[in-house]
Formats: sequence, structure tokens, C-alpha cells
Amino acid sequence: DAKTTQPNSMESNEEEPVHLPCNHSTISGTDYIHWYRQLPSQGPEYVIHGLTSNVNNRMASLAIAEDRKSSTLILHRATLRDAAVYYCILRGVSGNTPLVFGKGTRLSVIA
Amino acid sequence: DAGVTQSPTHLIKTRGQQVTLRCSPISGHKSVSWYQQVLGQGPQFIFQYYEKEERGRGNFPDRFSARQFPNYSSELNVNALLLGDSALYLCASSWPGRFSGNTIYFGEGSWLTVV
Repeated sequence: DAKTTQPNSMESNEEEPVHLPCNHSTISGTDYIHWYRQLPSQGPEYVIHGLTSNVNNRMASLAIAEDRKSSTLILHRATLRDAAVYYCILRGVSGNTPLVFGKGTRLSVIA
Repeated sequence: DAGVTQSPTHLIKTRGQQVTLRCSPISGHKSVSWYQQVLGQGPQFIFQYYEKEERGRGNFPDRFSARQFPNYSSELNVNALLLGDSALYLCASSWPGRFSGNTIYFGEGSWLTVV
């Protein structure tokens, strides 16, 4: 499985934007980039995914480098509820492949 | 609509015992997966089931087994429990779409402590 590299932890002030980086230098041409997050005492939840183009949804934006070797999850205005572990995951084009989690980035949000 | 539901939420077992964890997927979802999350680590894939058949297995010993029922619910069994089996066990369900964009939905997990 292709691997991703994320910082262990990051900190943000409330209501400020947060940029969570992810490196995936060995990504293949058919790998999708998925982001999940895990709030305290909960199971992971889907945030966003993309292949080549930048993506936006109600939760976040995903910026993908032109060479696809890195990506950035953008939370436009961090809230206390965004404090979680964020996982960047590469997933093959088949819809049935399992998720391969790393250790993720623990995001702390300061009021 | 109900999300992925798991039971029990917490349990304590003794080394050597056996445990069964249960999962009900989101209505309409036919694929169920199980993950183990040890404290401080990301979840690790254990099994995937679709239409009652095992479709994938992670690097776990044969003490771990699972099955899926006709109503798509699932059970995870772990025999001969070891202290290292203490973890959060997560069930996830999805509609097994053809492409990677199908979202996987997780339950809140079952916390297993082995003493």
C-alpha cells in the first residue's frame, strides 16, 4: 500500500483557517486521496476525497499538488468541534479496498 | 436514519476467554468491515464481508474470525484472548460501489479490555 506522511500534531486558534499537509510521494496514477477524521471517543468519519482537481464540500477543501505527491486539507474556520485526529489515506480505484490508516495528525483548537 | 450500530460498547474479558462483537450496518449497505484500533494508533483492517462472503482479510491471526448474516449484520469473534487484544473494535459499512469514492461509515466502536 502506498504510504502517507503527516505531522504528528498541529495547533490552531478558533475561527482561523487550518492547513493540514500530507505527503504521498509514491502515489500511483489511480490512487484517490481520502481524508477521514476521528473525534474523541468516536469512530472515524469521512471528510473529503479527490483524485487530481481541488475539491470543496461543506466540511473542508482539498488542495492537491499538480504532481499529486502532496495534498492539503483546508478547514476554513476552525471550531472547537474540529479538534480531532485527521487521517490522509490513499485508496485504489476499486471501491472495495479497505482503508489503510497511518497515525494521522492530531489537531488541537484553542479558544 | 440510524448509523452503524455496534454492541456492546464496553466489555472486560479475561485472558483466554472468547468474545463476540456485533454490528448492524446502515440500512441498504451490503459491505461490512472490521478494524482494530489500539490506543495511540490508527485503525487496522481486520476483515471485509460482502454478501456474506469474506472479501478481504488483514494481517491478523486465525483467532480472529467473522461472519455476515443475510440481513447484512455481522459478528466479529476473537478466541483465546490476549492482553494485546485490548483495543477499540470498529465496524464500518458501505455500499460497495465500483469506484473509490464510496464513503465508508464507521460505528462508535466496542471497547474491549482484556485483563
